[in-house]
Amino acid sequence: GQQVMQIPQYQHVQEGEDFTTYCNSSTTLSNIQWYKQRPGGHPVFLIQLVKSGEVKKQKRLTFQFGEAKKNSSLHITATQTTDVGTYFCADNQAGTALIFGKGTTLSVSS
Amino acid sequence: ETGVTQTPRHLVMGMTNKKSLKCEQHLGHNAMYWYKQSAKKPLELMFVYSLEERVENNSVPSRFSPECPNSSHLFLHLHTLQPEDSALYLCASSQGSGSTDTQYFGPGTRLTVL
Repeated sequence: GQQVMQIPQYQHVQEGEDFTTYCNSSTTLSNIQWYKQRPGGHPVFLIQLVKSGEVKKQKRLTFQFGEAKKNSSLHITATQTTDVGTYFCADNQAGTALIFGKGTTLSVSS
Repeated sequence: ETGVTQTPRHLVMGMTNKKSLKCEQHLGHNAMYWYKQSAKKPLELMFVYSLEERVENNSVPSRFSPECPNSSHLFLHLHTLQPEDSALYLCASSQGSGSTDTQYFGPGTRLTVL
């Protein structure tokens, strides 16, 4: 079945450093949604990318959708301790529900 | 607060018990979902309901039985569970079940099966 791979699985950074997580698929992605789950919390929607090559920004977060719609990335500039959590990408190719990646867990030390 | 509530937040049960998880959404959405989140695994979709009809059942064992009496409520009935069923069970809702619909998650029920 369709799989969405995320790398890295874990990332530790010093506060102020940048962070990037990548989402890859062997098949063309329909659209990509990104979610963040804080420790002990539940996934919260961040953004959706639909168009090939799309780039969206939310303050220090930059989301990209690859030209071939087979990959996506989330980049955080100058991380803060509030960025801690697990970031999931998800695709809805099946049309009825999201296929989630395993997530990238970010830890930040001050 | 996302407008999706789940009860109970924590549940400990024996393998012979029967219990139910409840989810309620106050967003006027038409689709509701059950997910299972285990350690070191991706979120696993269990069931999808759209307009109170089950539209997807992802090969979930029959010891999990969903019920959607109306578009605002979703239940997951549990019986004779196994220890490996211990996980965080998340409910979500979306306006529709289409490919661009954002999902809103509840806080989850942390289930421990002894």
